[in-house]
Amino acid sequence: QVQLVQSGAEVKKPGASMKVSCKASGYPFTGYGITWVRQAPGQGLEWMGWISAYNGATNYAQKLQGRVTMTTDTSTSTAYMELRSLRSDDTAIYYCARVGGFGELSWGQGTLVTVSS
Amino acid sequence: EIVLTQSPGTLSLSPGERATLSCRASQSVSNDYLGWYQQKPGQAPRLLIYAASGRAIGIPDRFSGSGSGTDFTLTISRLEPEDFAVYFCQQYGSSPWTFGQGTKVEIK
Repeated sequence: QVQLVQSGAEVKKPGASMKVSCKASGYPFTGYGITWVRQAPGQGLEWMGWISAYNGATNYAQKLQGRVTMTTDTSTSTAYMELRSLRSDDTAIYYCARVGGFGELSWGQGTLVTVSS
Repeated sequence: EIVLTQSPGTLSLSPGERATLSCRASQSVSNDYLGWYQQKPGQAPRLLIYAASGRAIGIPDRFSGSGSGTDFTLTISRLEPEDFAVYFCQQYGSSPWTFGQGTKVEIK
């Protein structure tokens, strides 16, 4: 079955960068896209962007343009999300999710990133 | 961007009752690409419904989705104890993908 396993929790200082990994298994990695979603403490869900695992095409949320980069490594079936110039309001749980044929999302377990001085 | 407004914010019901959750879009959702997710504390969201009315694999048939265009509904026919959670709708018909703010279904 589809499984997405994310890297562990991180603590970062303001201004630093973060990079979360998302290792996929149980399906042909290059046949689907990966989307990233974050959830600030006690808040709703915010879409960050999407990457095609087939050709690397990306579509980022305008709010994060210039600070976010999504990549994939097809040799290891792993997706990555890097966010730079971190601020306190970037503190959140970051989720990756596989985008199915009908747009349905299969989620990773989430990675808590805390930005604090 | 499409704004999704969920109502009510909180639904207080007893096990066995019927739950009706609404998700209204600020403009028409392309291809009715609207999903519903359940989230419990400390857990990742879980897909229930895709494309407005398609039930995901393994989801009990007490969950059903309906609607099109700008008005969508998630119905839980008879609430089980494990159904008390937060429910989000999400549109993926146009970029940016957006989520509703959530409806909490709590035990009355």
